[in-house]
Amino acid sequence: SQQGEEDPQALSIQEGENATMNCSYKTSINNLQWYRQNSGRGLVHLILIRSNEREKHSGRLRVTLDTSKKSSSLLITASRAADTASYFCATEGLNNNDMRFGAGTRLTVKP
Amino acid sequence: ETGVTQTPRHLVMGMTNKKSLKCEQHLGHNAMYWYKQSAKKPLELMFVYSLEERVENNSVPSRFSPECPNSSHLFLHLHTLQPEDSALYLCASSQDRWGAETQYFGPGTRLLVL
Repeated sequence: SQQGEEDPQALSIQEGENATMNCSYKTSINNLQWYRQNSGRGLVHLILIRSNEREKHSGRLRVTLDTSKKSSSLLITASRAADTASYFCATEGLNNNDMRFGAGTRLTVKP
Repeated sequence: ETGVTQTPRHLVMGMTNKKSLKCEQHLGHNAMYWYKQSAKKPLELMFVYSLEERVENNSVPSRFSPECPNSSHLFLHLHTLQPEDSALYLCASSQDRWGAETQYFGPGTRLLVL
């Protein structure tokens, strides 16, 4: 299966702590994206990282990609209660133009 | 607001009913998607339309019937659904149908089949 698998399934931290979520996938990809979803709402795009990139930053977000391990991580620094949401990775395979999503990590940030 | 709207936001229907979900995007995008999201499962891609033509149907049961009358509108017609079809149905659009494109999602329709 091409779709990413997020780990852990659920993560609970205190406000101000860092949150790290991981995504693993099985076959080679062109790029990987991270999305966020508030409860019962649509997904919102956070960041895209291409297969030839190793790290990208956007505000408090840091994404890494290790194509040799077929894995990516999303780091949220100095977390806030408003970061509480589910986070999904989505991958585009080499022979597939469409993205495949994982089941997500449910992040809870306690005030 | 992502520029993608969906109606209704909530829908309860019996197994013999016929209903339709509507999606509209105001972004000038060429590709539109239907996804099904069930609890604790990966997002399932159901249908993809590119320039108003269906380009992918991921083995979705025929009780789900999509329609894309123009590049801004996408419908999902529902008939004789099963309780296991209860889920959040998400519509998305992107500039073109390429994996590197950012997809913009609507808020979803929460469907309950009784």
